[in-house]
Amino acid sequence: DAGVIQSPRHEVTEMGQEVTLRCKPISGHNSLFWYRQTMMRGLELLIYFNNNVPIDDSGMPEDRFSAKMPNASFSTLKIQPSEPRDSAVYFCASISGVASETQYFGPGTRLLVL
Amino acid sequence: SQKIEQNSEALNIQEGKTATLTCNYTNYSPAYLQWYRQDPGRGPVFLLLIRENEKEKRKERLKVTFDTTLKQSLFHITASQPADSATYLCALYSGGYQKVTFGTGTKLQVIP
Repeated sequence: DAGVIQSPRHEVTEMGQEVTLRCKPISGHNSLFWYRQTMMRGLELLIYFNNNVPIDDSGMPEDRFSAKMPNASFSTLKIQPSEPRDSAVYFCASISGVASETQYFGPGTRLLVL
Repeated sequence: SQKIEQNSEALNIQEGKTATLTCNYTNYSPAYLQWYRQDPGRGPVFLLLIRENEKEKRKERLKVTFDTTLKQSLFHITASQPADSATYLCALYSGGYQKVTFGTGTKLQVIP
């Protein structure tokens, strides 16, 4: 299995631009998580989906952030408009089941907003 | 509010010694606790899970203890090696559709 796949691996953009991060979970996994990691705040859960349905989006910082999971094999996290404080590493993780099992993380997308 | 604390300072130990990392939590009733390893530029990788009714769990050179009275978990790496150098994260889960919450991690450096 290829594991969780994220793209792009690195993204540099200018303030105000739209950013779209992509994630392909492990085949057969039915829960997907988006995290943001910074030195100051550590690993923060932004949103998680179960069977393609958003279960908890309380971690989404503000309306500039949105996430979708149109099918079991693909999810996007969009930031529009982006701001310098959004600079972080964004991870996607998946599990098979409810939020109770080992999470398998992708390699992350390192985002820099200038 | 719920809080998870790990050693904020980096931990430096000599090769061959036992490394002990701490995870303390408040205002939390976890159903289980996990430990993950994270290398620079990579996502966290699961190591061990211990449930609330378990006191200790072992896997090769790794040992985790879980004291729900003290609200603390200890993570031990025996006979440490330079390859064990990484950041270690603890994560707590309360059950059902509750989210898993991660600590900020402890950076371990094993010196040859």
